[in-house]
Amino acid sequence: GNSVTQMEGPVTLSEEAFLTINCTYTATGYPSLFWYVQYPGEGLQLLLKATKADDKGSNKGFEATYRKETTSFHLEKGSVQVSDSAVYFCALGGRRALTFGSGTRLQVQP
Amino acid sequence: DVKVTQSSRYLVKRTGEKVFLECVQDMDHENMFWYRQDPGLGLRLIYFSYDVKMKEKGDIPEGYSVSREKKERFSLILESASTNQTSMYLCASSFGFNEQFFGPGTRLTVL
Repeated sequence: GNSVTQMEGPVTLSEEAFLTINCTYTATGYPSLFWYVQYPGEGLQLLLKATKADDKGSNKGFEATYRKETTSFHLEKGSVQVSDSAVYFCALGGRRALTFGSGTRLQVQP
Repeated sequence: DVKVTQSSRYLVKRTGEKVFLECVQDMDHENMFWYRQDPGLGLRLIYFSYDVKMKEKGDIPEGYSVSREKKERFSLILESASTNQTSMYLCASSFGFNEQFFGPGTRLTVL
């Protein structure tokens, strides 16, 4: 079945540091891939998505590229801000519902 | 903008009580979902519905039931709440089986 593996958190960075959160997946076919973000006390919001191999999703300075050969969808940002502190979830689309990773907490210190 | 609302942000119930969690979406989405979120486990699918009166079990349906009498509303029911159902419950909706839109969540505590 489908599965998503994310790097363990928390990830603690200083403001303006470079961010990478790793995500790999196992799936049949070529599912769509997503990154969601959850700010404290809120539900999940879609951050970006990619629907086919080599697509790059981007939003708010975050980027992720759908890599079929490595079954990965790593999230990157060149310069993080304190306001980026949140939990990030990688997810893949399926025939029923999304399959989520366990989430990675990001803490950005000023 | 798609809006998904949940009836309560915080709820405290006692063991054995019947609990109703309500979710409403305003974008005419055919699909609606209930997840629970626990630390270290991510989101796990409880039930989903792809049409009015249609439902399908997710990965962890035990102890839960659902109701979808109207397209915009999807209810999660805990028939007899237990302490291991203390969790964050998230509702979502979608058009097609791709991008989902989430509500703010209900944090349920069962004492």
